[in-house]
Amino acid sequence: AAGVIQSPRHLIKEKRETATLKCYPIPRHDTVYWYQQGPGQDPQFLISFYEKMQSDKGSIPDRFSAQQFSDYHSELNMSSLELGDSALYFCASSFWTSGGSYNEQFFGPGTRLTVL
Amino acid sequence: RKEVEQDPGPFNVPEGATVAFNCTYSNSASQSFFWYRQDCRKEPKLLMSVYSSGNEDGRFTAQLNRASQYISLLIRDSKLSDSATYLCVVNGYHGSSNTGKLIFGQGTTLQVKP
Repeated sequence: AAGVIQSPRHLIKEKRETATLKCYPIPRHDTVYWYQQGPGQDPQFLISFYEKMQSDKGSIPDRFSAQQFSDYHSELNMSSLELGDSALYFCASSFWTSGGSYNEQFFGPGTRLTVL
Repeated sequence: RKEVEQDPGPFNVPEGATVAFNCTYSNSASQSFFWYRQDCRKEPKLLMSVYSSGNEDGRFTAQLNRASQYISLLIRDSKLSDSATYLCVVNGYHGSSNTGKLIFGQGTTLQVKP
């Protein structure tokens, strides 16, 4: 079965540079979520999109922005990178059912971002 | 205080053992509960959703106690391949609205030894 695709898998950037992470959800999934996982930490929710509209926002810095496109893929844009942005960035997708309960989310393999 | 709390372990058990993980959550409005498994430097993988009546999938049994805001995972007949971090996960709510985001516990590490 098709899974969530993320690219690139690894990314090395210098401080103050920009980065763009891409996510292709499972076919027919309409909701995309972005999570950040720092070393030794649990994943933290950043932002989500349903039917190309932002549906929720978490602890996402103002330097980051994201969008979902007409083909449902999503991009996370990160500017003015800082050392503390080094982390694993996961994208997850789900099909938003009526009532919203038990929207099981399936995660991509992640992008490992290293900021030097 | 974290919204979802787990004992980080590690739990070191021999093959064939039965092991139980517990988790508590603070938002009584939460409606959806999950256990995810995460191997080192890999993505979280959905192990099972946790329903009010409890549910079982092979060697894995999940229970939910809404009154105590407590979730458990039981693994029977542990295999070496069960070694991983087990994440207790709850759907985030804002007031009465299910926001869809997942809130993770810090994970419980299981090491199954031969």
